[in-house]
Amino acid sequence: GESVGLHLPTLSVQEGDNSIINCAYSNSASDYFIWYKQESGKGPQFIIDIRSNMDKRQGQRVTVLLNKTVKHLSLQIAATQPGDSAVYFCAEKGASKIIFGSGTRLSIRP
Amino acid sequence: NAGVTQTPKFQVLKTGQSMTLQCAQDMNHEYMSWYRQDPGMGLRLIHYSVGAGITDQGEVPNGYNVSRSTTEDFPLRLLSAAPSQTSVYFCASSYSGQGGYEQYFGPGTRLTVT
Repeated sequence: GESVGLHLPTLSVQEGDNSIINCAYSNSASDYFIWYKQESGKGPQFIIDIRSNMDKRQGQRVTVLLNKTVKHLSLQIAATQPGDSAVYFCAEKGASKIIFGSGTRLSIRP
Repeated sequence: NAGVTQTPKFQVLKTGQSMTLQCAQDMNHEYMSWYRQDPGMGLRLIHYSVGAGITDQGEVPNGYNVSRSTTEDFPLRLLSAAPSQTSVYFCASSYSGQGGYEQYFGPGTRLTVT
């Protein structure tokens, strides 16, 4: 069946360094991949998405990379700031359903 | 725009009771969905809708019903509450199509079933 998972459940980075959050997916038919940020006590917030026919997409301080050969998705956050502390979820859209992965908690060391 | 609104914010039910979680959006989005999030876990899709009059099951639909009579509203009904349904429930909406699937989430409803 469809599944979206993450390699690392927690990630600790030094403030100012770059963060890389990884995600594996299994449904080759997914047409969009999406990253969300969830702060404590709040609903998920859309960060960036990438269509399946793209390899890379950049936003403000974030870059998403898609490697369809190994079914791998990553989110890169440049110059990580304290406000980036949150749980990050990848999700995939197959047909009409958007399915979430299990999440990675990003913590920032001062 | 209010975005996506959910009511109530908190609810305590006894086993066997029924209730409806309300969700509304004022962005004229076609796509709406309900997720549940258990502590320390990801979001699991319960039901979704691609437009008024159309609903479909997600990953964990058992024990829940939905309807979509208007574009704006997408209520979630718990038929007979069970302790396993204790969770935080999130409603989301988005446009769907070539522009991507930027979902907007509501603030959530925290449900406890005793």
